[in-house]
Amino acid sequence: AQTVTQSQPEMSVQEAETVTLSCTYDTSENNYYLFWYKQPPSRQMILVIRQEAYKQQNATENRFSVNFQKAAKSFSLKISDSQLGDTAMYFCAFAPSGGGADGLTFGKGTHLIIQP
Amino acid sequence: KAGVTQTPRYLIKTRGQQVTLSCSPISGHRSVSWYQQTPGQGLQFLFEYFSETQRNKGNFPGRFSGRQFSNSRSEMNVSTLELGDSALYLCASSLLASGRGNEQFFGPGTRLTVL
Repeated sequence: AQTVTQSQPEMSVQEAETVTLSCTYDTSENNYYLFWYKQPPSRQMILVIRQEAYKQQNATENRFSVNFQKAAKSFSLKISDSQLGDTAMYFCAFAPSGGGADGLTFGKGTHLIIQP
Repeated sequence: KAGVTQTPRYLIKTRGQQVTLSCSPISGHRSVSWYQQTPGQGLQFLFEYFSETQRNKGNFPGRFSGRQFSNSRSEMNVSTLELGDSALYLCASSLLASGRGNEQFFGPGTRLTVL
């Protein structure tokens, strides 16, 4: 079984600042996928960014980028030029590849607050 | 394209009752997964259905069950409700079965309160 740990229950930054959310995971799998999901107050989960473990290049999506360190089992999310609309719960999630996967394993989440 | 829809959005039940929640995936998606979200336990995987077959089941008692219809719509049922079943139940659909890193698209959830 795999575990996902997010060590920052809550973070608060000023608008336009850069913020990094931490995520570590534990698994014996060699091939897997990692995700960051955002859950704003409206409660609808939205995929922010996705990383395939066999790809060394870090994924980027506009202002969002990850720092994937496979050996350290670390997968942090960097948000540049933060905006008020980035205020939300952020969940790191893990999914093994191949058949028989057990859905997504989520971390407990980080509540990110962007202050005006 | 319409997103994932879940009905009802809110539900209040009493202990011992049973409840059925419904999820309609995005058109063309064949995989539907269910998750339970509580403040204490966070997000936990319940089960996944693909082409009307349950592929995986999380660590939940047999009171939690589900099914998927030929049009990919899915229902989950919880029998003999307990106070601890109060949670937000999220449904997620994806084009292919899990295990391939597919993006899962989440619905708005059903908030179940057990009194």
